[in-house]
Amino acid sequence: DTAVSQTPKYLVTQMGNDKSIKCEQNLGHDTMYWYKQDSKKFLKIMFSYNNKELIINETVPNRFSPKSPDKAHLNLHINSLELGDSAVYFCASSQTGTYNEQFFGPGTRLTVL
Amino acid sequence: TQLLEQSPQFLSIQEGENLTVYCNSSSVFSSLQWYRQEPGEGPVLLVTVVTGGEVKKLKRLTFQFGDARKDSSLHITAAQTGDTGLYLCAGTGAGSYQLTFGKGTKLSVIP
Repeated sequence: DTAVSQTPKYLVTQMGNDKSIKCEQNLGHDTMYWYKQDSKKFLKIMFSYNNKELIINETVPNRFSPKSPDKAHLNLHINSLELGDSAVYFCASSQTGTYNEQFFGPGTRLTVL
Repeated sequence: TQLLEQSPQFLSIQEGENLTVYCNSSSVFSSLQWYRQEPGEGPVLLVTVVTGGEVKKLKRLTFQFGDARKDSSLHITAAQTGDTGLYLCAGTGAGSYQLTFGKGTKLSVIP
C-alpha cells in the first residue's frame, strides 16, 4: 500500500564514505524528485526526473549523483560524504498535469560523523 | 528565483483557539499548495489552489489564494492538538516542474 518508499530510514556513516539512498513509487507518476531538509526544516529541491530524464538539477555538489533506472525508481548516490551533508533527504513523486502535487516518502535521516 | 515567505515562523496556541498562517511572495504563481509535516514523516498535501481569490475548506481548515495569486493564507478554526505540525506552503510558476517551498510555520497546539 505504500505510495512512496525510501530506504534506508536512517543512515549513519563516517566522513569520506560513499552511500546510496533508494526510492520507489507505486503511484504510476511520471516525475520524481529529491529534496534536502536541513535542521531548520527548510525543504530544498535537489533533482527532478521526468520519464527518466533529468529536468531539474539545482546547485548541488557533483558528489551527489541521481539515477533513475525507470519511472518508478529514483536513487541518490553520494560520494565522499561531508559533515554538511547531514540532513533529512526526501523523495517525492508527481504526475504531469496535476499542478506538481507531490507525494513524499518518509525521509532518510543521514548523519555524517 | 521565486521566494515564498511564511509567517509566523512559530505559533503556540491553546486548544480551541483560532489561528491564521500567511504565505507571501512578490511573484505570481500558477498554483499554490499547503502541506503539513509531522515529526519523522514526509510532508502531506492538504490542498491546491489555482484561481485568484479561490477559497477551499477542509473541515476546520480554510485556505485562500490571493486575488493576484501572489499570496495565500491558512485559517484553522478551533484548533486541536492533532493540528500540531509544520505547515508548508509551496508554489509553482507557469510552465514549471519546480515547486518552491516556504520555510514553514511550526504550530504547537497545547491542550
